[in-house]
Amino acid sequence: GAVVSQHPSWVICKSGTSVKIECRSLDFQATTMFWYRQFPKQSLMLMATSNEGSKATYEQGVEKDKFLINHASLTLSTLTVTSAHPEDSSFYICSATAGGHYEQYFGPGTRLTVT
Amino acid sequence: KQEVTQIPAALSVPEGENLVLNCSFTDSAIYNLQWFRQDPGKGLTSLLLIQSSQREQTSGRLNASLDKSSGRSTLYIAASQPGDSATYLCAPRGSSNTGKLIFGQGTTLQVKP
Repeated sequence: GAVVSQHPSWVICKSGTSVKIECRSLDFQATTMFWYRQFPKQSLMLMATSNEGSKATYEQGVEKDKFLINHASLTLSTLTVTSAHPEDSSFYICSATAGGHYEQYFGPGTRLTVT
Repeated sequence: KQEVTQIPAALSVPEGENLVLNCSFTDSAIYNLQWFRQDPGKGLTSLLLIQSSQREQTSGRLNASLDKSSGRSTLYIAASQPGDSATYLCAPRGSSNTGKLIFGQGTTLQVKP
């Protein structure tokens, strides 16, 4: 199956700083990428949908100025958590698809801890 | 708004048992449905994808069925093994072109040797 990578796999940052997470599709062109967050023992919550070359579409309740998403190429999307706070600590997972109704392939996730 | 419920929330069985995991969803206008497996602290592994026109899909010891009209899907695991221990998530995809998946809370399975 298709491979999606995320970098870093885990990161610790201080409150008030920004951190960038990368999501790459390694062997296919991803026209659409999705960003999810997952709190301990909870399911995945969709944060935003990102289409290559256009602005991301954020889910209700997700602050677009805090979670900056860029999808500049067909193989790379980035999520930047700006002015991070401890409550932003979570597991962030991306997925990628070659098209709206094609199978989604998930990355291994990034564990963010804000101290 | 699509809501997905998975029952049971947790399941512990001895090795070798056949299992049924249930998933129900409120909006039957779906394009397809995926079943995933998630190991602790890891990302998701896709297990099976069922198109809305299909009634079931099989992969090895796994069989997923879909009853779109009643908003239900089941994942059947035959001859369970300790390596099957994980959280299983179902996610229907809406019929719009956004491709968004809506996840249930998952069923956490423990298979004891």
